[in-house]
Amino acid sequence: DQQVKQNSPSLSVQEGRISILNCDYTNSMFDYFLWYKKYPAEGPTFLISISSIKDKNEDGRFTVFLNKSAKHLSLHIVPSQPGDSAVYFCAAPPNYGGSQGNLIFGKGTKLSVKP
Amino acid sequence: KAGVTQTPRYLIKTRGQQVTLSCSPISGHRSVSWYQQTPGQGLQFLFEYFSETQRNKGNFPGRFSGRQFSNSRSEMNVSTLELGDSALYLCASSLAAAGGETQYFGPGTRLLVL
Repeated sequence: DQQVKQNSPSLSVQEGRISILNCDYTNSMFDYFLWYKKYPAEGPTFLISISSIKDKNEDGRFTVFLNKSAKHLSLHIVPSQPGDSAVYFCAAPPNYGGSQGNLIFGKGTKLSVKP
Repeated sequence: KAGVTQTPRYLIKTRGQQVTLSCSPISGHRSVSWYQQTPGQGLQFLFEYFSETQRNKGNFPGRFSGRQFSNSRSEMNVSTLELGDSALYLCASSLAAAGGETQYFGPGTRLLVL
């Protein structure tokens, strides 16, 4: 049973436009969410996170929105750049208020930003 | 500050063999977690160590084991390798096993089992 789902395996966007990556979760006890970016031959890199007490967190071109009632979060990248082309993973720690030591990951969305 | 390092980067083994992978966390980080990444299952949590103690364990068979040393370096071992163990094995470290601590990943060890 997948507790964190990324239903779009791939997304293609034109440079300068907005990229929206979606993530759904099933466990209402999750209270913290993270997005990681992964380039080929490298490990995932932390991008941005959000706590369940917020509905939005912004960091430069990256904004994460959280809709707790829908158990849905999204990552917005504005404007998208070719260097953003990577696989993006949504993740959550399963322990309520606990560590991030055992993250549950979605299967990822491959973003391609075309020049 | 040096990042998380993993050795070896690539490994080829045959079925039935065993393998040991190594991870050196970022200096000062005490928590080390291991993940397996496969095309079909994505990133799956294996186990987490903090101060030489296993704190959490994922849903993997007992053939997968790990340990952490006093300097926070960690090793994972897979015995009696199966073809399905072919994967990218990722190690991640964080300052402490507490909520809000960001995990930093190494580049991974790609294991191919023939």
